[in-house]
Amino acid sequence: AQTVTQSQPEMSVQEAETVTLSCTYDTSESDYYLFWYKQPPSRQMILVIRQEAYKQQNATENRFSVNFQKAAKSFSLKISDSQLGDAAMYFCAYSKAAGNKLTFGGGTRVLVKP
Amino acid sequence: GAGVSQSPSNKVTEKGKDVELRCDPISGHTALYWYRQSLGQGLEFLIYFQGNSAPDKSGLPSDRFSAERTGGSVSTLTIQRTQQEDSAVYLCASSLARWYEQYFGPGTRLTVT
Repeated sequence: AQTVTQSQPEMSVQEAETVTLSCTYDTSESDYYLFWYKQPPSRQMILVIRQEAYKQQNATENRFSVNFQKAAKSFSLKISDSQLGDAAMYFCAYSKAAGNKLTFGGGTRVLVKP
Repeated sequence: GAGVSQSPSNKVTEKGKDVELRCDPISGHTALYWYRQSLGQGLEFLIYFQGNSAPDKSGLPSDRFSAERTGGSVSTLTIQRTQQEDSAVYLCASSLARWYEQYFGPGTRLTVT
């Protein structure tokens, strides 16, 4: 079975600074998808960024970027120029195939200090 | 357009009662998912509907849990004889059949007293 591990329960960052969230996963599949979701206090999960395993290039979405290391099964998220609105729970997730069920990590709470 | 909606937003029930949670997916989305978010178990998959195919029920924790999707649209998750360990936030998501982004609803917080 696939597993996703987030080793940092909580991270704190100063506004305008950069923070990196760690995620490792375990799978025997060669093709899969990885995601970072943000969950603010409103509870609604919002997709931040996604990465297809067959793509070597790391995905980037504005201030969010990932470092995908397929051999190491590592998928970290970097938030640059942190803003107060970035404060939330962040979940790393894995999907075996397109449109398939997600397996989530335990989450990392990000606190942003003004 | 409208996103995924769920009702009720919050539900308090007594142990042993049955509850129904509703999910309205985004129009045109053929895939629908239910997840549960609890303090003890984190975020876990429950069930997945894809078009007219048989649902993937592999995540349902017990036979007290069931779900249906009528007309390929609205879905209802039913929990029979609720237990305190069923207390959690139940999240619904939908996606287009050939598109892998899942759009989540705001969830239903279920509290079993």
